Amino acid sequence: AQTVTQSQPEMSVQEAETVTLSCTYDTSESDYYLFWYKQPPSRQMILVIRQEAYKQQNATENRFSVNFQKAAKSFSLKISDSQLGDAAMYFCAYRTNNAGNMLTFGGGTRLMVKP
Amino acid sequence: DAGVIQSPRHEVTEMGQEVTLRCKPISGHNSLFWYRQTMMRGLELLIYFNNNVPIDDSGMPEDRFSAKMPNASFSTLKIQPSEPRDSAVYFCASSLAYYNEQFFGPGTRLTVL
Repeated sequence: AQTVTQSQPEMSVQEAETVTLSCTYDTSESDYYLFWYKQPPSRQMILVIRQEAYKQQNATENRFSVNFQKAAKSFSLKISDSQLGDAAMYFCAYRTNNAGNMLTFGGGTRLMVKP
Repeated sequence: DAGVIQSPRHEVTEMGQEVTLRCKPISGHNSLFWYRQTMMRGLELLIYFNNNVPIDDSGMPEDRFSAKMPNASFSTLKIQPSEPRDSAVYFCASSLAYYNEQFFGPGTRLTVL
């Protein structure tokens, strides 16, 4: 079974600074997707960024980028120029392409942004 | 697009009562997922449907939980009888196909007293 681990329960960053959230996963599959979801206090789960395992290039979405290290099974999220609205829970998630579309989530990291 | 719609947003009930959570997926999506979020266990997949058919219900905790999808635009998650340990936020998500991005609803916060 796949597992996703987020080792940082909480992180704090100063507004306008950069922060990196860590995620590691365990799988025997070679074809899969990785995701970062944001959950603000409103509870809504919002997809931040996705990465296909077969792509070597790291995904980027505006201020959000990932560092995908397939051999190390590591998938960290970098948030540049942090904004107050980035404060939320961030979940790393894994999905295999072999069976269904089931997401396996990490335990989450609470990000606090200081003004 | 209205997104995934869940009702109610909040539900408070007493132990032993029946609880029904509802979900309307995004129009045109044919995969639907029910998740439960608790502090202790995080986000867990309970069950998912593809073309209205339950594909994997291995995450359903016990027989007190049941889910149905009578048509492409509606699904229910029922707990009967409810217990305090069922208190959680329940999310519904849908996707265009089983391999596409999942869009989440706002969740239902269930409190069982």
